[in-house]
Amino acid sequence: QVQLQESGPGLVKPSETLSLTCAVSGYSISSGYYWGWIRQPPGKGLEWIGSIYHSGSTYYNPSLKSRVTISVDTSKNQFSLKLSSVTAADTAVYYCARHDPQNGSFDYWGQGTLVTVSS
Amino acid sequence: DIQMTQSPSSLSASVGDRVTITCQASQDISNYLNWYQQKPGKAPKLLIYDASNLETGVPSRFSGSGSGTDFTFTISSLQPEDIATYYCQQYDNFMYTFGQGTKLEIK
Repeated sequence: QVQLQESGPGLVKPSETLSLTCAVSGYSISSGYYWGWIRQPPGKGLEWIGSIYHSGSTYYNPSLKSRVTISVDTSKNQFSLKLSSVTAADTAVYYCARHDPQNGSFDYWGQGTLVTVSS
Repeated sequence: DIQMTQSPSSLSASVGDRVTITCQASQDISNYLNWYQQKPGKAPKLLIYDASNLETGVPSRFSGSGSGTDFTFTISSLQPEDIATYYCQQYDNFMYTFGQGTKLEIK
């Protein structure tokens, strides 16, 4: 069974860089699919951040593109998110997920991790 | 960018009721529309993909329809465990957008 698990600091200071990693088990990232990050501010809706293929090809939400970097480490079967110059508006639960590039559906999700931006 | 308008934002219904949620895209997205269920404190769960295909293991009381710009999600007979927030999500040209969500409550 495919499982995803996010990890990283739960508290980040304003203007610093948020860094999260998603460890995948039960499926090899190199076997296909895309791998993405989605966030959800407390009490609000879902926002797609960006996605990566095992080859390293990436695409990002234009609204965040200037601050986002997603990378993949196939040897560790994990992928990572970096979001720079964070503000309080970046406080959210961050989810990693697998998704099908054919129909854009996100079929497996991590449990999510809350990241708070505060000094 | 394609905008998704989901309605209603909240809905109260009784067990056994038929429940319908709609999602409208700002331009034609063919059938690239998916539906998710999110319970409090949990990650979203994929229910419907490609507008009308039921994800494996999802109860048949859930269904979806539509194409182009107008889409509908239906629960044929509401069950207590269906209390959640439901989101539509579109895919177009490597861009993914979610609707605002519909919070479903038991009357």
